[in-house]
Amino acid sequence: QSALTQPASVSGSPGQSITISCTGTSSDIGTYDYVSWYQQHPGKVPKLVIFDVSNRPSGVSNRFSGSKSGDTASLTISGLQAEDEADYYCSSYTSGSTYVFGTGTKVTVL
Amino acid sequence: QVQLQESGPGLVKPSQTLSLACNVSGASVRDSPDYYWSWIRQPPGEGLVWIGYIYYRGSTYYNPSLKGRLSISVDTSKNQFSLDLTSVTAADTAVYYCARIRRWERRFDSWGQGALVTVSS
Repeated sequence: QSALTQPASVSGSPGQSITISCTGTSSDIGTYDYVSWYQQHPGKVPKLVIFDVSNRPSGVSNRFSGSKSGDTASLTISGLQAEDEADYYCSSYTSGSTYVFGTGTKVTVL
Repeated sequence: QVQLQESGPGLVKPSQTLSLACNVSGASVRDSPDYYWSWIRQPPGEGLVWIGYIYYRGSTYYNPSLKGRLSISVDTSKNQFSLDLTSVTAADTAVYYCARIRRWERRFDSWGQGALVTVSS
């Protein structure tokens, strides 16, 4: 069970939009619409920001949006803010009734 | 509002068994058909790794890379679920999180604060 592939880092200036990709296989992202995204600030507990590919939990800013095409899911943060600087992890349900996380992406606000 | 809290030794010797418990409040582990109860770990400076989960009826699913060393169980009398990882090495050093999975949306919606477990002699 290999980790989903994410870019190690993505950066952007305040107000800009950035997109983080998450590439899996036909055994996970390619088959299931159960992709979720988690934001983790240093030393903190991961926080759910997107579930079921594109749904936002109550209380999460609408600046966060998600999508999927084939084996790749994406998280877009629009109107980038300093508070968005964190690590982001994707996760997917898999054909083995298991879960897999992505390798993680560090978002830097320039 | 469900709350989860990990507990257990912070230091384990190599080759021994790492045991952690997750105490659940605000929800019943035994009477929750809509949720799974899961463990996730994060080695220092590294990413999240899914460990496994248990359903209230006792069925379990494990990360294939840990299968053979791993056991997750539920103690309904204490409203908690537990993790046992045998034959540990330094590579098992990590912050261990317990989390709840919403069964139908397959998302980790509630997390414990995490417990750092160091494997060292």
